[in-house]
Amino acid sequence: DTEVTQTPKHLVMGMTNKKSLKCEQHMGHRAMYWYKQKAKKPPELMFVYSYEKLSINESVPSRFSPECPNSSLLNLHLHALQPEDSALYLCASSQEGWDRGESPLHFGNGTRLTVT
Amino acid sequence: QKEVEQNSGPLSVPEGAIASLNCTYSDRGSQSFFWYRQYSGKSPELIMSIYSNGDKEDGRFTAQLNKASQYVSLLIRDSQPSDSATYLCAVRYYSGGYQKVTFGTGTKLQVIP
Repeated sequence: DTEVTQTPKHLVMGMTNKKSLKCEQHMGHRAMYWYKQKAKKPPELMFVYSYEKLSINESVPSRFSPECPNSSLLNLHLHALQPEDSALYLCASSQEGWDRGESPLHFGNGTRLTVT
Repeated sequence: QKEVEQNSGPLSVPEGAIASLNCTYSDRGSQSFFWYRQYSGKSPELIMSIYSNGDKEDGRFTAQLNKASQYVSLLIRDSQPSDSATYLCAVRYYSGGYQKVTFGTGTKLQVIP
């Protein structure tokens, strides 16, 4: 069982919809990540939060809007997506600070997003 | 963008054999290295992590790191059909003062019963 929980597991949305993906972890990790993974491709980094502050945005289109309300929660707000945004969205967490260098990413089970 | 390269495979090995998976990376400043296993449609699962040159063993798995050659490998002994999956090499490095984890394209392993 994963210690990083993502909801929903599956999401189908139209191009005019607004939806949110949610991620929660209770491992005390202070770094949280969003990755996007297309079929037969590796995960691609989208955003990194460090101590609830956005530290990395990999030039992601503004139709994706991340939010970190507290140290345990991470959201990804979706608006006006395109069909090519259909993918598996993965949330991950890791330790932060002096011990981050040796802290692996712990992934949730992902949200399978389909944009119609 | 720092590169992490893997042979995409598929790598086919008979059951009980040793599977050898390889990965090279471009950034000499990379700090730590991870192997993840991913079954189709599932999220990546951590198999091994390694930070120092040499070998690290955990059960049937051995990770090997050679920072001088910028090379990391994963050996799977006594391969089982359940090991059939895509194996992702991941590397943590510094970029603009921040740490990133970048994944290789993955190697698909098929263990033949």
